Amino acid sequence: DAKTTQPNSMESNEEEPVHLPCNHSTISGTDYIHWYRQLPSQGPEYVIHGLTSNVNNRMASLAIAEDRKSSTLILHRATLRDAAVYYCILIANQGGKLIFGQGTELSVKP
Amino acid sequence: NAGVMQNPRHLVRRRGQEARLRCSPMKGHSHVYWYRQLPEEGLKFMVYLQKENIIDESGMPKERFSAEFPKEGPSILRIQQVVRGDSAAYFCASSPGALSGNTIYFGEGSWLTVV
Repeated sequence: DAKTTQPNSMESNEEEPVHLPCNHSTISGTDYIHWYRQLPSQGPEYVIHGLTSNVNNRMASLAIAEDRKSSTLILHRATLRDAAVYYCILIANQGGKLIFGQGTELSVKP
Repeated sequence: NAGVMQNPRHLVRRRGQEARLRCSPMKGHSHVYWYRQLPEEGLKFMVYLQKENIIDESGMPKERFSAEFPKEGPSILRIQQVVRGDSAAYFCASSPGALSGNTIYFGEGSWLTVV
């Protein structure tokens, strides 16, 4: 699976939007972009995924660049409960497993 | 629809004993994955199974570790002759089919402490 690059950490204020970037310049045409997050002492949690078009769900939005070499996870209004490590992962079509990188540790200040 | 169920949530074993961790996937899911997270480290893939088959065990230590997903019943991760370095959180996940467009769901983890 192609590699992703994320900032090690980011800070946000409560109730403000957060944009978490992810670079994946070696993405192939059939790779899906998945985002997961892990809150302290919990299992990873699915956030969102997409292929080419921007995606929205109740948790977040995923903005995918036109060339697909980067994407941004958008939390529209950060809450204290959104403090977690966020992982951007590429999955090849029919790929076998998720490979977690270091992710971005998001801290949210009240 | 119950999520991925793991038990026990916490397990304490003495060095040399065996640890068995169980994972019941979500209903209708036939693909199971095991991950390990050592203290202050990231999630590391261990093994990927479908019913009765090991698909990818590239992350499994060569000795003492084994996994199965029988036709009936939960998936089992078995660690024989545990050592202190096996102390970690072990997460199980399941999906309805092969990844890419499918979502993978994780359990809450089993925390193993070796004393």
